[in-house]
Amino acid sequence: GAGVSQSPSNKVTEKGKDVELRCDPISGHTALYWYRQSLGQGLEFLIYFQGNSAPDKSGLPSDRFSAERTGGSVSTLTIQRTQQEDSAVYLCASSLNGNSYEQYFGPGTRLTVT
Amino acid sequence: AQSVSQHNHHVILSEAASLELGCNYSYGGTVNLFWYVQYPGQHLQLLLKYFSGDPLVKGIKGFEAEFIKSKFSFNLRKPSVQWSDTAEYFCAVNALSRINDMRFGAGTRLTVKP
Repeated sequence: GAGVSQSPSNKVTEKGKDVELRCDPISGHTALYWYRQSLGQGLEFLIYFQGNSAPDKSGLPSDRFSAERTGGSVSTLTIQRTQQEDSAVYLCASSLNGNSYEQYFGPGTRLTVT
Repeated sequence: AQSVSQHNHHVILSEAASLELGCNYSYGGTVNLFWYVQYPGQHLQLLLKYFSGDPLVKGIKGFEAEFIKSKFSFNLRKPSVQWSDTAEYFCAVNALSRINDMRFGAGTRLTVKP
């Protein structure tokens, strides 16, 4: 079956603009995760959804970052007033449910803020 | 807070050499442990995982890892690497008390010379 998909694959934006990143999880997976991968860094946890609710938003780096999930499926990560330090690869993962530890990753969105 | 350390940033080996990648974590409670691999141009994928039981875990492609609780370590090994093992390897830890908080190491880039 189809895996996790993300769009766009690459995004170049000017500092100060808003961006939206999209994630389509594997069908039937109720848990969805967003991570950020910066050069030379590990994966930084951003936010987790169980269904449409986000019980853990502790990883969002600032109030410029927000995420939503609708219909228990697609999720969007929005970054407002982008800064150069937001440049990174944003990865989405899904798992069957919140107690299933195996996460399936998408290809990521490479965001470059100029 | 839990954290994960991968001591080797970049490892270069010749084919048929043995591999050991270090991973240490800092968390005193019960954990689940993972190794993920990212081949060039591909998604992150699960290599192997440890939840409980035999601390020596076997994964795909001849990889194995050993959980040593007293050392808070989960090192990845392969007796004889191949050129196709060239990839980035990430260790990850998930505390049972925070099941949706997966912490990743910074990754180790493995280059296998043919």
